[in-house]
Amino acid sequence: EAGVAQSPRYKIIEKRQSVAFWCNPISGHATLYWYQQILGQGPKLLIQFQNNGVVDDSQLPKDRFSAERLKGVDSTLKIQPAKLEDSAVYLCASSLDIWGGSSYNEQFFGPGTRLTVL
Amino acid sequence: GEDVEQSLFLSVREGDSSVINCTYTDSSSTYLYWYKQEPGAGLQLLTYIFSNMDMKQDQRLTVLLNKKDKHLSLRIADTQTGDSAIYFCAERRANFGNEKLTFGTGTRLTIIP
Repeated sequence: EAGVAQSPRYKIIEKRQSVAFWCNPISGHATLYWYQQILGQGPKLLIQFQNNGVVDDSQLPKDRFSAERLKGVDSTLKIQPAKLEDSAVYLCASSLDIWGGSSYNEQFFGPGTRLTVL
Repeated sequence: GEDVEQSLFLSVREGDSSVINCTYTDSSSTYLYWYKQEPGAGLQLLTYIFSNMDMKQDQRLTVLLNKKDKHLSLRIADTQTGDSAIYFCAERRANFGNEKLTFGTGTRLTIIP
């Protein structure tokens, strides 16, 4: 079974530029997550999709970050304009279903995109 | 508090046991998880425990859960060089009709030959 794919793996931009990240989840997984992992910290959820609808975007800085999951499969995360504090690894994860019940609902993570903002 | 807390670093001799500790925040969390992150890679689920259990064993891994103190630990028996990584605990919290994972800061495990 193919894992979660992300691209690019690395990106270096200057502040105020724009950047986009792409994620392809595991086939058949309904739920897709974007996390931000700042160096020395654990991942922090930015946005969660169920199919092509947003379930939780309460931690997404909506003045500069946007995300979409058209057709309920692939997803893109965009930052426009980037700030120095956006330097982080952006992780995409997917799970078979949304939370609930007795399922432990494993999230499968991609390798991440390391963003450096200069 | 809001944060899931872990010690940042742990060094262990090869062949010894490693114990990684975590203090979580929400007594109503249903599941608690341990993830492993190797350099340049995403997170990999190692094991999890349901909140009505106080212990779970899976080969070299033992998870202990103390709900009263909101304390979670991961013991790795016979630690090997391949166990070098950052280990994250995470709690599954209710979140406005949904649930989400909240991760700790991670513990970097270094194996001494």
